[in-house]
Amino acid sequence: GAVVSQHPSWVICKSGTSVKIECRSLDFQATTMFWYRQFPKQSLMLMATSNEGSKATYEQGVEKDKFLINHASLTLSTLTVTSAHPEDSSFYICSAREPSQATDTQYFGPGTRLTVL
Amino acid sequence: GNSVTQMEGPVTLSEEAFLTINCTYTATGYPSLFWYVQYPGEGLQLLLKATKADDKGSNKGFEATYRKETTSFHLEKGSVQVSDSAVYFCALSPGGYQKVTFGTGTKLQVIP
Repeated sequence: GAVVSQHPSWVICKSGTSVKIECRSLDFQATTMFWYRQFPKQSLMLMATSNEGSKATYEQGVEKDKFLINHASLTLSTLTVTSAHPEDSSFYICSAREPSQATDTQYFGPGTRLTVL
Repeated sequence: GNSVTQMEGPVTLSEEAFLTINCTYTATGYPSLFWYVQYPGEGLQLLLKATKADDKGSNKGFEATYRKETTSFHLEKGSVQVSDSAVYFCALSPGGYQKVTFGTGTKLQVIP
């Protein structure tokens, strides 16, 4: 099946620093990738839709200047959390749409645990 | 708008028990339906899917049938194992590159 990787799997940073998370589709090209945030014991919250070669589409209430998304190639999207604060601590998950399938199936990365001190 | 409603957990079962996790949805048109599983500390894995009414998705002993008349997609397994302990998410995709809607997740705990 389609494989999506994320790096790093966990990161601890100091308040005020920026953190970059990578999402890669390993065996397919993804024109569209998605970034989710998941709080403990809760469902996924879609943050933004990342489109290759164009600006990301952010969901209502998500600060685009704080969560920078770049989708520079068909296999890589990055999420940069700028000037991170403890409230940004969360589990961030990306997914990619596998375009060869007729159905709108998303494949998820393993997630990145961000802890901001 | 679209919505997915799942039964609240946690669901605790003994090993080899029968599992049902209810999922109902609200959507216009003919969405595709999915079940994803999330093991502790991991991302989501696609468990099964169905793309049209009366389709049955199946994988690893799990099954779910797309019931348009009842707008449901209940997840079932005849005999659960301890290794099935995880959080299960029901989801729908309206297609046309619209965003996927997830349910709140149901935690399953299987005890030996």
